[in-house]
Amino acid sequence: DQQVKQNSPSLSVQEGRISILNCDYTNSMFDYFLWYKKYPAEGPTFLISISSIKDKNEDGRFTVFLNKSAKHLSLHIVPSQPGDSAVYFCAASAMDGGSQGNLIFGKGTKLSVKP
Amino acid sequence: DAGITQSPRHKVTETGTPVTLRCHQTENHRYMYWYRQDPGHGLRLIHYSYGVKDTDKGEVSDGYSVSRSKTEDFLLTLESATSSQTSVYFCAISESKARSYGYTFGSGTRLTVV
Repeated sequence: DQQVKQNSPSLSVQEGRISILNCDYTNSMFDYFLWYKKYPAEGPTFLISISSIKDKNEDGRFTVFLNKSAKHLSLHIVPSQPGDSAVYFCAASAMDGGSQGNLIFGKGTKLSVKP
Repeated sequence: DAGITQSPRHKVTETGTPVTLRCHQTENHRYMYWYRQDPGHGLRLIHYSYGVKDTDKGEVSDGYSVSRSKTEDFLLTLESATSSQTSVYFCAISESKARSYGYTFGSGTRLTVV
């Protein structure tokens, strides 16, 4: 029973355009959402997070949007750069409701940014 | 990097043999985690620790045990390795349960069970 879903295994975008990565969740107790970026042969690195009391958080080229009613979040990268090519993981946690504050990850979306 | 080291980086072992993976941190963080990454499954939590000698099971703990005798070391043991445990294993650390900044991950151990 997957609580965090990334339904697109891959996404290809042209350099300079916007990349939109999507994530859906089922557990209404989740109160923190995070995005991680992973290059091959490296560990995931933290990118950006959002609390459930907000609907948007921005950090440079990266913006995360949260729609609690739809249980959906998205990561926007503008403008996309070839160095953004990586696997992006969506993660969520809740102090109650099963995850005990631990991060639960989606399956990841592989982003390819073409020059 | 961020003060977290996994060893070995690569290992090939035979079915039925015991295997221990080590995670070492120099950040003095309280929380440590073991995840595995598999194609089509993303990252799944195996075990975690919230202090010395304090550990708990994650989502996919069957076939694995852990130990934490010192703050800096978190060991993952496969008592009798199986082919289904072929995976990339990541250790992660966090200072607290303040979850807005997530975890810091190690570089991973690629384990192949033949």
